[in-house]
Amino acid sequence: GQQLNQSPQSMFIQEGEDVSMNCTSSSIFNTWLWYKQDPGEGPVLLIALYKAGELTSNGRLTAQFGITRKDSFLNISASIPSDVGIYFCAGQQGAQKLVFGQGTRLTINP
Amino acid sequence: GAVVSQHPSRVICKSGTSVKIECRSLDFQATTMFWYRQFPKQSLMLMATSNEGSKATYEQGVEKDKFLINHASLTLSTLTVTSAHPEDSSFYICSARVVNVVNQPQHFGDGTRLSIL
Repeated sequence: GQQLNQSPQSMFIQEGEDVSMNCTSSSIFNTWLWYKQDPGEGPVLLIALYKAGELTSNGRLTAQFGITRKDSFLNISASIPSDVGIYFCAGQQGAQKLVFGQGTRLTINP
Repeated sequence: GAVVSQHPSRVICKSGTSVKIECRSLDFQATTMFWYRQFPKQSLMLMATSNEGSKATYEQGVEKDKFLINHASLTLSTLTVTSAHPEDSSFYICSARVVNVVNQPQHFGDGTRLSIL
């Protein structure tokens, strides 16, 4: 099925570094969502974006809804050990089902 | 915030057993619930969309007689894996949202790890 292009697939960084990941699509979405999944658990919603151009923050996390409606990025500033996990972007058009990215696996070296 | 509860968190059973997984929305009425399957190191794969009071809509390639879904109330949907076999072993995750309210994101349960011996 349809899938978003999420990059990078994995990241290995030092604690304290900033992180940036993004998702692109060939289709337009009117909602972009970012989730984090820890091992053995379900995804937890981090940020929801509903308007093109919207920039939203949640603590050290910042996400933007691209102006073309075909992309979104997520930034994490000053990473800490608990940021380790898999981050998924998801796009949605109207009431249709979510389309997920392949995930970005974040590993932090202490 | 919205909470979705999924039970059980882990099931280990013999081949041929049927397994029921429950998904509950704890503080909101979920007109629509979703069932996903996730293989190791992969993204979530939608199996079916469950609408309260009506038949579920299954994604292409998902056997409706194998994966029975019931959404009898606005707070509960169940997925039954019938006559489970080792190839059905996976991580199953449910999700819920309120459809007719603007800007309501999907919230996920904690998943059920199903292991068929």
